[in-house]
Amino acid sequence: DSGVTQTPKHLITATGQRVTLRCSPRSGDLSVYWYQQSLDQGLQFLIQYYNGEERAKGNILERFSAQQFPDLHSELNLSSLELGDSALYFCASSPGLAGEYEQYFGPGTRLTVT
Amino acid sequence: AQSVTQLDSQVPVFEEAPVELRCNYSSSVSVYLFWYVQYPNQGLQLLLKYLSGSTLVKGINGFEAEFNKSQTSFHLRKPSVHISDTAEYFCAVRVFNQAGTALIFGKGTTLSVSS
Repeated sequence: DSGVTQTPKHLITATGQRVTLRCSPRSGDLSVYWYQQSLDQGLQFLIQYYNGEERAKGNILERFSAQQFPDLHSELNLSSLELGDSALYFCASSPGLAGEYEQYFGPGTRLTVT
Repeated sequence: AQSVTQLDSQVPVFEEAPVELRCNYSSSVSVYLFWYVQYPNQGLQLLLKYLSGSTLVKGINGFEAEFNKSQTSFHLRKPSVHISDTAEYFCAVRVFNQAGTALIFGKGTTLSVSS
């Protein structure tokens, strides 16, 4: 158990819909990362937050957005969903920004868009 | 831009045999290197990491990796595998920029251990 929790574990929704994925980082970790894992693209970095502020963006679509709240939990919002958005979405956390910190991964949310 | 290439998508081996999972990276700056393991229906778990110092890094579950700067490689090895090592293995590099630090992952190598 990494200490990172993600809800829900599974999500099935239709095209065009909007969903919210939730992540609670390990106690004390200030940095949260979102990754998308799909068969064709592999594991891709989406976005990072540190202590409530956006710090880095990767291959995140404009239809996707995220935020980190004062209690440090984070939400990833996916809108106007397409079939290609079906994937496993991981949240990871680390104590800070320094590169040597390990990122601890949650169990993921499996999103299926039908 | 940084990138990671895992040279084998699938590696089948017999139990108690040695295994090497190959990883090459490209980067114009110094990087940190990581190997993660993903068991079926689970998240990623860190096996080991190279930050600096000794180029031979030991990790959990008997795995080790060697950093070779001249060949830009970070191959993962285990002298004797178990059935329980069957999993997906990901090599990753840490990217630095002013805003944050993200992991760039390879496509993964599926290790299948059979008896």
